[in-house]
Amino acid sequence: QVQLVESGGGLVKPGGSLRLSCAASGFTFSDYDMSWIRQAPGKGLEWVSYISGSDSSINYADSVKGRFTISRDNAKNSLYLQMNSLRAEDTAVYYCAGSTVDSAFDIWGQGTMVTVSS
Amino acid sequence: AIQLTQSPSSLSASVGDRVTITCRASQGISSALAWYQQKPGKAPKLLIYDASNLESGVPSRFSGSGSGTDFTLTISSLQPEDFATYYCQQFNNFPLTFGGGTKVEIK
Repeated sequence: QVQLVESGGGLVKPGGSLRLSCAASGFTFSDYDMSWIRQAPGKGLEWVSYISGSDSSINYADSVKGRFTISRDNAKNSLYLQMNSLRAEDTAVYYCAGSTVDSAFDIWGQGTMVTVSS
Repeated sequence: AIQLTQSPSSLSASVGDRVTITCRASQGISSALAWYQQKPGKAPKLLIYDASNLESGVPSRFSGSGSGTDFTLTISSLQPEDFATYYCQQFNNFPLTFGGGTKVEIK
């Protein structure tokens, strides 16, 4: 079945780094643009970063630009988010989500929790 | 960045009620709007895309309308499983943005 599974979350100190992964199955991964979306505890949804299916286009929210790097490996059906210089305000559940070109997110993972705290 | 303002932020309703949630964009986004439902501890689920298209498998009591800056999500007859938080999201421009959410609670 169509599935996205995130991993790599955990507890990290301010200033530290973490790499999130998202494994895709059940669909043609390269046909999908992918994004990372986060949700701080008790708060709403915040889009973080986007990468096109062909890896030719990348975008970031201002809040993470210069600190986070999105990438994908279509041969491994995987999406990644390298998070550096982490701050307390980056604490959230991070979801990976997929969309066909210029469309809504129709596939979501279950989320992975990132906690930034000393 | 395009701001999406949802109203109300919360509402109380009874099973069988008709519920309407609005989403206003700070600038025109054509029909590049989606609606999601999120239950506690779960990932969001796509309900409506391109402002008015029902996602496959979503009950027909959900409908969406609007274009430009003003959009509406309607639940024609609220069911027990519909108590959740609803978000609108625009995909017309980067940065992609979400509305603040509308929590639908049981009256």
